[in-house]
Amino acid sequence: EVQLLESGGDFVQPGGSLRLSCAASGFTFSTYAMNWARQAPGKGLEWVSGISGNGVSTYYADSVKGRFIISRDNSKNTLYLQMNSLRAEDTAVYYCAKSRLGPDAFDIWGQGTMVTVS
Amino acid sequence: DIQMTQSPSSLSASVGDRVTITCRASQSTSRHLNWYQQKPGKAPKLLIYVASTLQSGVPSRFSGSGSGTDFTLTISSLQPEDFATYYCQQSYSLPWTFGQGTKVEIK
Repeated sequence: EVQLLESGGDFVQPGGSLRLSCAASGFTFSTYAMNWARQAPGKGLEWVSGISGNGVSTYYADSVKGRFIISRDNSKNTLYLQMNSLRAEDTAVYYCAKSRLGPDAFDIWGQGTMVTVS
Repeated sequence: DIQMTQSPSSLSASVGDRVTITCRASQSTSRHLNWYQQKPGKAPKLLIYVASTLQSGVPSRFSGSGSGTDFTLTISSLQPEDFATYYCQQSYSLPWTFGQGTKVEIK
């Protein structure tokens, strides 16, 4: 079964740091681009960051550029999001999401992990 | 950035109704438009990609259409399990952006 499992969410003070992890299983992880998206309480979805299958190319939303770093370890089938200089507006459920091959869409999502900055 | 605007923001409908949700992009996305369904407390689920292609396992009562800037998600006969929030998302140019969501509620 194709599965993504996030971990690492927590309460953190403004200015603090946190690292999220997403463990993948059931597919050839290194073949697929991966993403982080988030959803603030009661709000809509926001794409945060993406990374190519080989990890060479990374992409960020302007709202997190310079503060967040996406990375992956294909030997461990794991995606990461290093979050620095956290702000109250970063409070959200963070989802990892797998890109499908071909025209991009997020075809598999994890269950999410909550990050609270307060 | 490409802005995505959905209408309506919410709607009330009955089981068996035909429901249509519209998504408009601030500039052309060709057919790079995806639709997701999200139920409370759950992760989003991909329904349709490249405007009209049904994701595997999604019931055929869901359909998508459109190109350029105007897109539509249609549910031909609303079922109890379809009450949820629906989001469009463009995958034409980074940053990928979502619409604000359309909540489909029971009348």
